[in-house]
Formats: sequence, structure tokens, C-alpha cells
Amino acid sequence: DAMVIQNPRYQVTQFGKPVTLSCSQTLNHNVMYWYQQKSSQAPKLLFHYYDKDFNNEADTPDNFQSRRPNTSFCFLDIRSPGLGDAAMYLCATSTRTSGIYEQYFGPGTRLTVT
Amino acid sequence: RKEVEQDPGPFNVPEGATVAFNCTYSNSASQSFFWYRQDCRKEPKLLMSVYSSGNEDGRFTAQLNRASQYISLLIRDSKLSDSATYLCVVNQGNTGKLIFGQGTTLQVKP
Repeated sequence: DAMVIQNPRYQVTQFGKPVTLSCSQTLNHNVMYWYQQKSSQAPKLLFHYYDKDFNNEADTPDNFQSRRPNTSFCFLDIRSPGLGDAAMYLCATSTRTSGIYEQYFGPGTRLTVT
Repeated sequence: RKEVEQDPGPFNVPEGATVAFNCTYSNSASQSFFWYRQDCRKEPKLLMSVYSSGNEDGRFTAQLNRASQYISLLIRDSKLSDSATYLCVVNQGNTGKLIFGQGTTLQVKP
């Protein structure tokens, strides 16, 4: 059974047209993350939530916003996508168990910007 | 210096070979260490958490050397299905933030 679900799996948007990616989880984990991954690169953390506490990475562009309305759901909003925003967007969840945070990833949304 | 460094490879090995990947990290306050596996165009999947005493899961053995800030992954009896990118991952201090290495690509050939 899928534990971290991302929709859609593939998204095509036009340059400058706002897009929202969604993530849901059945693990009841208190921490949720959004990563951007480009080809042959490591995942790059954009932001994460500890419960409702939002933590933005210093180098995350203002163009990227996030919402977490409840424990299960988290959204990534890209206000004005540029060609450079084409990437795989990964959602992950974790909780502290035995002193460590193991992260579990969703299948990702592959974003194409035309 | 990158926070987590790995040799990107690729490592090309024949089936049945033993292969070892190494990783170094710069933050001595890091508490948790992991190896993730990522197949092409798929999400990273947790392969193993790495414990101070070292741990083994079937053909996979992970070791941690805190003094040298070094983590390793050993794969014995390589299978074709082991072909993937292996990501060394370290938490930032004692937080839930993970820092990813750039990954080491393994290609196992018949």
C-alpha cells in the first residue's frame, strides 16, 4: 500500500502558469519535506514542516511556496514556473523513532515547463 | 567542501563481484546516517540506516567510522538488479534535515 502519495505523477505547465503539486501520507508522520531533483543531481531540499512549523531553505526561490493544511497533506505551489524549474519534485515524510529520522519518499511528480 | 562527498563513479562490475562505496561527511555533530538506493527516474528508497556498530542486511553491509567521519557500503555477490545510484545521506546535526551526497552509480554487467 502506498504510504506517501504524490499527484499528479506527471505535470506539464506553461511558462509562467501557476501550478500546484500535492502530497499525502498515511504514515501519520509529523515531518514533511519537499525536494527538487534535477537529472544526475542529488535531491535539493526546498522546505520542510515540523507539524505546522514551516522551515524554508535560504536558497529556495520566492517563486516556491508551500501549504500544509493538516498532518496528512502538503502542497507545493510554483507561482510562475520558469524553464529552469523543470525537475522531479519529491515529497518525503519522517518522524523521530529511536532517536533518528528515517525519511520515506513518494514516487515524485515530474514537472515539464513548456 | 561539500557536506557529504561520494565518488560518483560509475562503478562497472561483473555479476558476483563485491563492490564497496565510500562516503565522507563534514558535520561532526551528525547523528544519523543512511544509504538510499535510487533507480533511474524513480524516488530514493531507504536501503539501510547505518549504526555505530555497523550493520548487515543480507548481501549489504554498512559501516560507520565517526572518528574519520566516514561511511561505507559493501555489496557482496552483486546482482544485475543492484544496478542503481546509491546515495549516502547524513542528517544535519541532530535534526530531521538530511543532507544527500551526489550519489554513486553502480552498473552490474552479466
